[in-house]
Amino acid sequence: GDSVTQMEGPVTLSEEAFLTINCTYTATGYPSLFWYVQYPGEGLQLLLKATKADDKGSNKGFEATYRKETTSFHLEKGSVQVSDSAVYFCGGGSARQLTFGSGTQLTVVP
Amino acid sequence: DVKVTQSSRYLVKRTGEKVFLECVQDMDHENMFWYRQDPGLGLRLIYFSYDVKMKEKGDIPEGYSVSREKKERFSLILESASTNQTSMYLCASTISRDDEQFFGPGTRLTVL
Repeated sequence: GDSVTQMEGPVTLSEEAFLTINCTYTATGYPSLFWYVQYPGEGLQLLLKATKADDKGSNKGFEATYRKETTSFHLEKGSVQVSDSAVYFCGGGSARQLTFGSGTQLTVVP
Repeated sequence: DVKVTQSSRYLVKRTGEKVFLECVQDMDHENMFWYRQDPGLGLRLIYFSYDVKMKEKGDIPEGYSVSREKKERFSLILESASTNQTSMYLCASTISRDDEQFFGPGTRLTVL
């Protein structure tokens, strides 16, 4: 079945540091790919998405590119802020359902 | 804006009790989902529904059942709660099953 493998956490960065959270997927066909963010005490919110190979999703300074050749969708941000502290989930969509990674806790310290 | 609401943010129940978790969405979405979220395990799909009165088992349906009598409402039922069902429960809805899902705020259930 489909699976999403996400970089283990937790990750702690200083403010303005560069962020990468790795995500790879295994699926039949080419699913849509997503990054969700969960702030403390809240549900998941869509951060960005890509629906086909070479698409780049971007939002709030975060970016991820759908790489078919490496089956990856790594999340990046050039300069993180304390307000980016949250749990990040990678997800992949098939015709039946979405499959999520296990989540990566990010803490940004001043 | 799509809104997905869940009946309770926090719930405390005793072992053996029957528990109902309610989820309502206001965007006429066909598909609705129930997940549980546990540290280190991410989100695991319990059940989903793609139409009124239709349901399909997810990855971990044991100990749970669901009800979808109206399009906007999807209920998760724990017939006899057990301590290993202590978790965060998240409801979501979407227009199509492989597209963006909209999540509710979650219900943190504690079973004593």
